[in-house]
Amino acid sequence: GDSVTQMEGPVTLSEEAFLTINCTYTATGYPSLFWYVQYPGEGLQLLLKATKADDKGSNKGFEATYRKETTSFHLEKGSVQVSDSAVYFCALSKVGWDNDMRFGAGTRLTVKP
Amino acid sequence: KAGVTQTPRYLIKTRGQQVTLSCSPISGHRSVSWYQQTPGQGLQFLFEYFSETQRNKGNFPGRFSGRQFSNSRSEMNVSTLELGDSALYLCASSTLDAYNSPLHFGNGTRLTVT
Repeated sequence: GDSVTQMEGPVTLSEEAFLTINCTYTATGYPSLFWYVQYPGEGLQLLLKATKADDKGSNKGFEATYRKETTSFHLEKGSVQVSDSAVYFCALSKVGWDNDMRFGAGTRLTVKP
Repeated sequence: KAGVTQTPRYLIKTRGQQVTLSCSPISGHRSVSWYQQTPGQGLQFLFEYFSETQRNKGNFPGRFSGRQFSNSRSEMNVSTLELGDSALYLCASSTLDAYNSPLHFGNGTRLTVT
């Protein structure tokens, strides 16, 4: 079935380091792809999305490009801050699924000063 | 604009009991969906309601049920609680569906079953 696989954490980086969190998907058809972020004690917030191949989603310095040929949607940020410490979820959704999104397992990021 | 509100934030129940969780979506959002989050299984879709009708349902037993009211507020109910039902239950609202419009999540209700 349709699913999302993301790199296992936890990931620990120093402030201003480069971040990559890998995400690959398995899906029939043409899903939309998302990155959500969850801060401690909170629900998930949409970070960015891409709806078709080669689209690049970006927000708050984070970027991810929808690569259909490699079925990937890796999250990147050039210089992380302590405030970026959170759990990051890759997800996909398809037309007709309504709100049945498939989430990856989540990657915990800790950024140290 | 107020966000998605879930009540209560924490619940402790005993095995065999039942529980009701409440969710108030963002004003104007007609779609409400529910997710279960656990360390072992991650985020799993429970069901989704749109204009008081269940549009979609995940792979959960019939002990899990929900409903949506005319003001779009939603409740989910879990009957005959089991230890494995301990989880963070997240509600999300949107204007239409996840493919076309982003999900806005509440902060969740943490249910502990003892």
